[in-house]
Amino acid sequence: EPEVTQTPSHQVTQMGQEVILRCVPISNHLYFYWYRQILGQKVEFLVSFYNNEISEKSEIFDDQFSVERPDGSNFTLKIRSTKLEDSAMYFCASSEQGDGGNSPLHFGNGTRLTVT
Amino acid sequence: AQSVTQLDSQVPVFEEAPVELRCNYSSSVSVYLFWYVQYPNQGLQLLLKYLSGSTLVKGINGFEAEFNKSQTSFHLRKPSVHISDTAEYFCAVSRWGDQGGKLIFGQGTELSVKP
Repeated sequence: EPEVTQTPSHQVTQMGQEVILRCVPISNHLYFYWYRQILGQKVEFLVSFYNNEISEKSEIFDDQFSVERPDGSNFTLKIRSTKLEDSAMYFCASSEQGDGGNSPLHFGNGTRLTVT
Repeated sequence: AQSVTQLDSQVPVFEEAPVELRCNYSSSVSVYLFWYVQYPNQGLQLLLKYLSGSTLVKGINGFEAEFNKSQTSFHLRKPSVHISDTAEYFCAVSRWGDQGGKLIFGQGTELSVKP
């Protein structure tokens, strides 16, 4: 069964550094998402992406965050200047049609980001 | 806006016992309802979903859930659990007609099955 793959599985970075989290969505999917889960808290929506542009973003997704689909297969999340509070598990997801019910999200295994 | 509350953060249970993981939601519009499971060191995997129709939905691994509109609940059940069901379970909603399918998650319930 096709999978969403994320790399790296664990990223350690120093505060103020830029990080790029990478994801390869399922090949025929059109909608892409980033979620994050701070330890002990809810899984939170960050951003959705369709047709090479952001379709929706949360309050968390401020100017420090950006997403890109640089080629036909990768979907990246960049954090320009990391803060301690950015430490979390980041999940990438994709869906075929983005209609929620009939086209559920498929998630990757996550990247654990640790900011020191 | 939508919100999801999972009433139990941890549920310990013995193998072969029944289990119920509780989920309540709040929304001013109609929603789709989901349960996802996260096994250790893995991503979120869809267990089951409720879109419309019959309020009892069956999913993978013998799990089922019942939608109760009047109580705004979507509790997950399994009549007899296995050690392999040990995982974190997330209830989630998305808004009907929400192009983009954004999910709102609950806090998660850690199911621990003991021999």
